Amino acid sequence: NAGVMQNPRHLVRRRGQEARLRCSPVKGHSHVYWYRQLPEEGLKFMVYLQKENIIDESGMPKERFSAEFPKEGPSILRIQQVVRGDSAAYFCASSPPRQGTAQFGPGTRLTVL
Amino acid sequence: AQSVTQPDIHITVSEGASLELRCNYSYGATPYLFWYVQSPGQGLQLLLKYFSGDTLVQGIKGFEAEFKRSQSSFNLRKPSVHWSDAAEYFCAVGGTDTGRRALTFGSGTRLQVQP
Repeated sequence: NAGVMQNPRHLVRRRGQEARLRCSPVKGHSHVYWYRQLPEEGLKFMVYLQKENIIDESGMPKERFSAEFPKEGPSILRIQQVVRGDSAAYFCASSPPRQGTAQFGPGTRLTVL
Repeated sequence: AQSVTQPDIHITVSEGASLELRCNYSYGATPYLFWYVQSPGQGLQLLLKYFSGDTLVQGIKGFEAEFKRSQSSFNLRKPSVHWSDAAEYFCAVGGTDTGRRALTFGSGTRLQVQP
């Protein structure tokens, strides 16, 4: 049973470009979470989604960042007009519909030049 | 608001010595508590979790943690550290109701193991 998959694992963008990060949850998991880890820091919650719904986006920056989890396909975290401060590791986690432990993916490391 | 404090940024222990990593949390209801380990450039691996029941929780790799409600603590312990335990350790707290299932992480404790 494959775990959470994230791609790409490494992404390099120049300032002003767009970054798209993908997360395929564990089969059967309908809850997805995105976290950001800045260098030398812990993980910070960004957004919590269920299929086609955003449940909690209290950790998302108000501008340039968006997330979706469509009925079919992976969850996407989109960062428009990236800046150097967006350089970080972005982790996705998924959990089953009922109470259960979220499983983390390997992360996408975004570098903005 | 929920929060997690890991007061030790860096800890160095000798191989074979015992280890205790501290974690204090703030949460308005019954918490779910977790310890994760992260090796450099890697993702997070779950070491153990506390949901309810026995307050002493056993995890993988010989780790255990004790939930102490009166102290709002969930310290991680290992009786004998191995060189491969060198990594970053994160404590996290989460809730059970739908709107509060995201985890709040501490800032981490970096463990170095001396030969």
